[in-house]
Amino acid sequence: SQQGEEDPQALSIQEGENATMNCSYKTSINNLQWYRQNSGRGLVHLILIRSNEREKHSGRLRVTLDTSKKSSSLLITASRAADTASYFCATGSNTGNQFYFGTGTSLTVIP
Amino acid sequence: EAGVAQSPRYKIIEKRQSVAFWCNPISGHATLYWYQQILGQGPKLLIQFQNNGVVDDSQLPKDRFSAERLKGVDSTLKIQPAKLEDSAVYLCASSFSSAYYEQYFGPGTRLTVT
Repeated sequence: SQQGEEDPQALSIQEGENATMNCSYKTSINNLQWYRQNSGRGLVHLILIRSNEREKHSGRLRVTLDTSKKSSSLLITASRAADTASYFCATGSNTGNQFYFGTGTSLTVIP
Repeated sequence: EAGVAQSPRYKIIEKRQSVAFWCNPISGHATLYWYQQILGQGPKLLIQFQNNGVVDDSQLPKDRFSAERLKGVDSTLKIQPAKLEDSAVYLCASSFSSAYYEQYFGPGTRLTVT
């Protein structure tokens, strides 16, 4: 079974607004990663946060990780129409294998 | 730096036929992954190689799916015989070493089984 679950399943916002999506997972992890997938295209890595980190930034992206709650959030600030895509969290186990993707959040940014 | 290459991009076969997909990872990447992504779902890991050894194939339907990574570089994934439910996009990814690192994905192969 897949490790992570994203919430919400779908999100629609106006351009310029912030978008927040959450990920919950079940077992201990070494790291958690976020990926973006545009319609009909491959996955692109966005950011990786390790289990000993609590927050990480990359441009307009901010990721938090709470290992006690087994959850993570991805914040996209000042959204753009080009941010329209599906966003997936993925977890890497402590053993270096067993990499699992979540179910994804579909984000639509309305111009 | 060249990305992950996959071929073919599209394949249409009839059920019970066989099909093979090819992947060439980024040079120097020790870890290679094959995923199955059904429309509307997240990618599901089928098999993970570390160099030419298998480290995780717990979700690979071994009665019909097989994969190999010769010489720790290129990899092939085969389905024989195919079923209707195998219709999906098959993604190949590579990373520097293990699931401790970010993965780089190829464009995928869209398989349709009729």
